[in-house]
Amino acid sequence: IAGITQAPTSQILAAGRRMTLRCTQDMRHNAMYWYRQDLGLGLRLIHYSNTAGTTGKGEVPDGYSVSRANTDDFPLTLASAVPSQTSVYFCASSEGQTDTQYFGPGTRLTVL
Amino acid sequence: SQQGEEDPQALSIQEGENATMNCSYKTSINNLQWYRQNSGRGLVHLILIRSNEREKHSGRLRVTLDTSKKSSSLLITASRAADTASYFCATDRGDAGKSTFGDGTTLTVKP
Repeated sequence: IAGITQAPTSQILAAGRRMTLRCTQDMRHNAMYWYRQDLGLGLRLIHYSNTAGTTGKGEVPDGYSVSRANTDDFPLTLASAVPSQTSVYFCASSEGQTDTQYFGPGTRLTVL
Repeated sequence: SQQGEEDPQALSIQEGENATMNCSYKTSINNLQWYRQNSGRGLVHLILIRSNEREKHSGRLRVTLDTSKKSSSLLITASRAADTASYFCATDRGDAGKSTFGDGTTLTVKP
């Protein structure tokens, strides 16, 4: 079944540790996105990629990095996690830059 | 800053009633999309309306867009308990494909 997957489902992480959240889509979408959603709030864009090989900064990029080596994968890395990065992280993809976004199930990250 | 803001923050209605949620935004947009999020799940796309459109329908959903007022509304008719979820609007200005989400309206439909 075509779609977008994220791993892990949830993670508890000690502050200062490095963590990579994985995102894979099999829809051959050009654009991919990473959002964070804090409790009771909407989504805020962290980083995005309009096509393989390119990335851009969103609204809240500090403390995060991404890479887009191929069309399907868009990993998000926290180089040195801090408690304020506790959140639910959603990956999304869209065919083009202004098309409907399809979301993954999310990764619930807790940084202690 | 948030481009899209939903109103009300929370809405509680009885099954069978209609639910109306509003979204206001600040700058010109390419399109506006409504998404639904069930508790603990990812967002699911409901409907997209482009800046040159005024109204769109999809099943029990009706979306309007007033670009002069920079606002949109989502109407869910004949609501069901299964419609209980949070609803978000996302505005797309066409710049590098970045959509901006509001904080959502939490809808509770009582059976």
